Amino acid sequence: KAGVTQTPRYLIKTRGQQVTLSCSPISGHRSVSWYQQTPGQGLQFLFEYFSETQRNKGNFPGRFSGRQFSNSRSEMNVSTLELGDSALYLCASSIRTSGGANPYEQYFGPGTRLTVT
Amino acid sequence: AQSVTQLGSHVSVSEGALVLLRCNYSSSVPPYLFWYVQYPNQGLQLLLKYTSAATLVKGINGFEAEFKKSETSFHLTKPSAHMSDAAEYFCAVSDLETSGSRLTFGEGTQLTVNP
Repeated sequence: KAGVTQTPRYLIKTRGQQVTLSCSPISGHRSVSWYQQTPGQGLQFLFEYFSETQRNKGNFPGRFSGRQFSNSRSEMNVSTLELGDSALYLCASSIRTSGGANPYEQYFGPGTRLTVT
Repeated sequence: AQSVTQLGSHVSVSEGALVLLRCNYSSSVPPYLFWYVQYPNQGLQLLLKYTSAATLVKGINGFEAEFKKSETSFHLTKPSAHMSDAAEYFCAVSDLETSGSRLTFGEGTQLTVNP
């Protein structure tokens, strides 16, 4: 089974621009979560999408948004980029089903390295 | 809110020596805990998870971790380090209030294995 794929792997943008990152989950996985990884803040949860709906959101400004399509693929958008948005953005998928609290294993993609200049 | 603390941002061991990476958690409810490994320029790979079924959890690549409620710890160990174990290791706790979909990570521990 193919793993989580993320595109592009590397991206360089200028301050003020916007960027869209893409994530394709493992086949059959319906939940997609996004994380930001920086040397200073570590790994931080951005949001989770399940059945095309945002289910959970981390403590990030509204410039960070996402969506999920009917095939479970997800995109993350960052508008008005700032230098501090430079990070590795990781996507993770899990087999989460509706209802119940269970620690579904999350499988991570290789990430997209975003550099803002 | 749940949280984890990893003691030691850098750990260095000799090849063949015991690996011990420390993780303490803070949780008002029984936690679900995970260890992930990250190799350079890669994503995170799940090593093992604790979900209350057994306190001693065995994972991949010879790693294991023991859940100790009295010490609020979930330390990762491996009896004999291999050069290929050099990587960054993250302890994480699952937020059950969000149906387990949100992971809160520790700061990470960089493991160096010396020949």
